Amino acid sequence: QMQLVQSGPEVKKPGTSVKVSCKASGLTFTRSAVQWVRQARGQRLEWMGWIVVVSGNTNYTQKFQERVTITRDLSTSTAYMELTGLRSEDTAVYYCAADPRATLTTPGKYLFEYWGQGTLVTVSS
Amino acid sequence: DIVMTQSPDSLAVSLGERATINCKASQSVFYRPNNKNYLVWYQQKPGQPPKLLIHWASTRESGVPDRFSGSGSGTDFTLTISSLQAEDVAVYYCQQYYTAPRTFGQGTKVEI
Repeated sequence: QMQLVQSGPEVKKPGTSVKVSCKASGLTFTRSAVQWVRQARGQRLEWMGWIVVVSGNTNYTQKFQERVTITRDLSTSTAYMELTGLRSEDTAVYYCAADPRATLTTPGKYLFEYWGQGTLVTVSS
Repeated sequence: DIVMTQSPDSLAVSLGERATINCKASQSVFYRPNNKNYLVWYQQKPGQPPKLLIHWASTRESGVPDRFSGSGSGTDFTLTISSLQAEDVAVYYCQQYYTAPRTFGQGTKVEI
């Protein structure tokens, strides 16, 4: 069983950046892909992008293309999502999720079955 | 982008009765090389992350009660809860994982 533990809540001012971490344990991190999804209060889930851990290859949705960077640190089995140019509309819970068998999966068809607990990011002046 | 549309937005079902949620994709999520539909269903309770219930449109995850079932192919899918229990009160989302960007339905709130 894979476990994903995310960093704690953040309060940020507009125009600044936030970096949320997602530490994996329980399965081989290097075989995984990790996605980031966010959810504003009362809204639907919104996919932001993913990283294939072994290669570092990323895929971002166009909406966030200029503002989001997803990275990983193999030494600590941790994935990161950094969002720049924060605005009030970015206030949301940010989730990471992992497919622990991504390297065995048809590329791009990852099944993100394990989720982190979520990180509330509040953007307010 | 593939647009996912769920119906209804909410429904109230009596305990022990059937709940049916529909999900329509704007284009097919059927992958011919392996004859699989790349559609998942999630359950989300307040303050919790989504929980994966079903993948490949109809394959239940380990530990998910068999009252949950998924069906459909191509662009039209259904999640059925055969006998609603109190613990099933939640918001249910469909999502396609056929291609990026991954897209979710707007969610269906199931209440007693």
